[in-house]
Parts: sequence; structure tokens; C-alpha cells
Amino acid sequence: DQQVKQNSPSLSVQEGRISILNCDYTNSMFDYFLWYKKYPAEGPTFLISISSIKDKNEDGRFTVFLNKSAKHLSLHIVPSQPGDSAVYFCAASRGGGGADGLTFGKGTHLIIQP
Amino acid sequence: IAGITQAPTSQILAAGRRMTLRCTQDMRHNAMYWYRQDLGLGLRLIHYSNTAGTTGKGEVPDGYSVSRANTDDFPLTLASAVPSQTSVYFCASSEVAGAYNEQFFGPGTRLTVL
Repeated sequence: DQQVKQNSPSLSVQEGRISILNCDYTNSMFDYFLWYKKYPAEGPTFLISISSIKDKNEDGRFTVFLNKSAKHLSLHIVPSQPGDSAVYFCAASRGGGGADGLTFGKGTHLIIQP
Repeated sequence: IAGITQAPTSQILAAGRRMTLRCTQDMRHNAMYWYRQDLGLGLRLIHYSNTAGTTGKGEVPDGYSVSRANTDDFPLTLASAVPSQTSVYFCASSEVAGAYNEQFFGPGTRLTVL
């Protein structure tokens, strides 16, 4: 049973437009959410995060929105650039102080078209 | 060394053989993790360590063991490899254990078990 779901395996967006990547979760104990970006043959790199006490976090071209009631978060990239083409993973963790790792979605392959 | 290093980069292994994947970090992070990434399944946590001398089981620990003798190193051992352990393995670390810390990932080890 997947606790973090990314239902779009791939997304194609024109350069300069907005990219919106979606993520849903089922575990109400999750209270911290992260987005990672991954290029082929490299490890994931941290992009942006949000805690459950917020509904929005912005960092440059990247904004993450959290809707706790819907158990849904989204990553907005605007404007999209060719270097944004990568696989994006949504991840979640539970509070409580223990490091039991992150729970990842399956990823969305974002393709930015010129 | 900067960040997290993993060795080997890739390995082809006969079933039944023993294999240790190495992971070293130079950030003095307390918590370390091992994930495997399989096509269509995202990243799944194998084992974690909150601090040197302690380890814990993740989502898919069977067939794997870890040790954390010091802060910097977190090796992952496959005692008797099986084909289902063919995967890309990522080591990660975070400054402290807990939900509100981003994890930094190594470049990965691609393991093929024949």
C-alpha cells in the first residue's frame, strides 16, 4: 500500500511555462514533505520542503503548496527551464524525532520542451 | 571528499556471493540511510542509523545488514545475493535524526545479481 503517490509518471511542459507536479499521501502522521530532483546516473538532490504547519513555501522559481485536508501537495516551477528536465520525487516523513527515513513516491519524469 | 561517496559505482555479482556496498560521508552527519531504487517503485528504505553505534530496519530490510562503527561510514552487506536484489542503491545522510531534516544522497551503486 503506497503511502505517497505520484500518479503522473511523466509530464511534458513547454519552456517558459509553469510545471505543476502533484503528490498525494495517505498517512496522516506525515508532517514534513520534501521534493527531490534526480538526473540520470546521479543521486537525488534536495529541492524544497514544507512542514505541515505551513501551506506554502517558496524558493526562487520553486513553490510547494500543501493542502492538509486533501492530503495533497504540489510543486510549481515557473518559468520552466530546460535544466529542469529530470525525475522529481515527492517524499514525506513523520514527526517524533526518530530517523526512520523518508517515504518516497514513484517519481514524475518532467520533460521541458524548447 | 565532499559530501557522500559510494563504492563501487557498479558491480555485477553472481547469486549466492557476499557483497558489501560502502558509504562514507564527510559532513559529520549523525544519521545515515540506505535506500534502493527500482524501476516504477521509487526509493525504498532498507536500513537506517540515527547515530554511530545504532541501526534500525526500514521498509525492505530482508537480505541486508548494516553496521555503524563510526560517524562517517555506513556499509551495507548482502550476505548471499539473490537476483531480486538487482537495483540501484543510494546512501544518504542527515545532520541529525528526526523528521525535519533534509537528507543528502550519494551518487548510487548499480548492482546486478545474476
